[in-house]
Amino acid sequence: AQSVTQPDIHITVSEGASLELRCNYSYGATPYLFWYVQSPGQGLQLLLKYFSGDTLVQGIKGFEAEFKRSQSSFNLRKPSVHWSDAAEYFCAVGPYGNKLVFGAGTILRVKS
Amino acid sequence: DTAVSQTPKYLVTQMGNDKSIKCEQNLGHDTMYWYKQDSKKFLKIMFSYNNKELIINETVPNRFSPKSPDKAHLNLHINSLELGDSAVYFCASSQTNNEQFFGPGTRLTVL
Repeated sequence: AQSVTQPDIHITVSEGASLELRCNYSYGATPYLFWYVQSPGQGLQLLLKYFSGDTLVQGIKGFEAEFKRSQSSFNLRKPSVHWSDAAEYFCAVGPYGNKLVFGAGTILRVKS
Repeated sequence: DTAVSQTPKYLVTQMGNDKSIKCEQNLGHDTMYWYKQDSKKFLKIMFSYNNKELIINETVPNRFSPKSPDKAHLNLHINSLELGDSAVYFCASSQTNNEQFFGPGTRLTVL
């Protein structure tokens, strides 16, 4: 059965510092991978997705993620965090785009 | 020009009542979904409809009944509400095999 693990429940970084959010998945075939962001009281916004091709994926708001098949990982990165990036981030895996399985989320706090 | 909209945004009701949440998408997508996000923020799919046909039905009590009158709408009706039904319910839509777009959520509180 497919599953997603986000090992970090909370992460705090200083504004301007780099960020990496970890995501490991378990899936029997080539996965479709997604990162979503949820601001307080809001819905989920898609940051980026990996379906195939280049394993380094660029997304919105300056985020990128790298698919590493050998490590079953799809970590999200940003070189310089802004205060407005404070939110909860969800990694998800699915066959194609249907029946997504989400991780438990990582709450990002940004210190000024 | 909202892509995926849900009504109501907040719903407070007593145990035992029946309530509905409506979802509409104007993206022309053929697949719609309902997710439940519990108090620990864990998101889990409940149902999925493709072209008005039910294709995913996870282990959900039969008090929950989705209805899709057309491709642009997927409503969720809940009978005999229980305390444990309190959660945020998200509607989403996608074109088959592509990324899902989420609505703003409906926060349901059962007293």
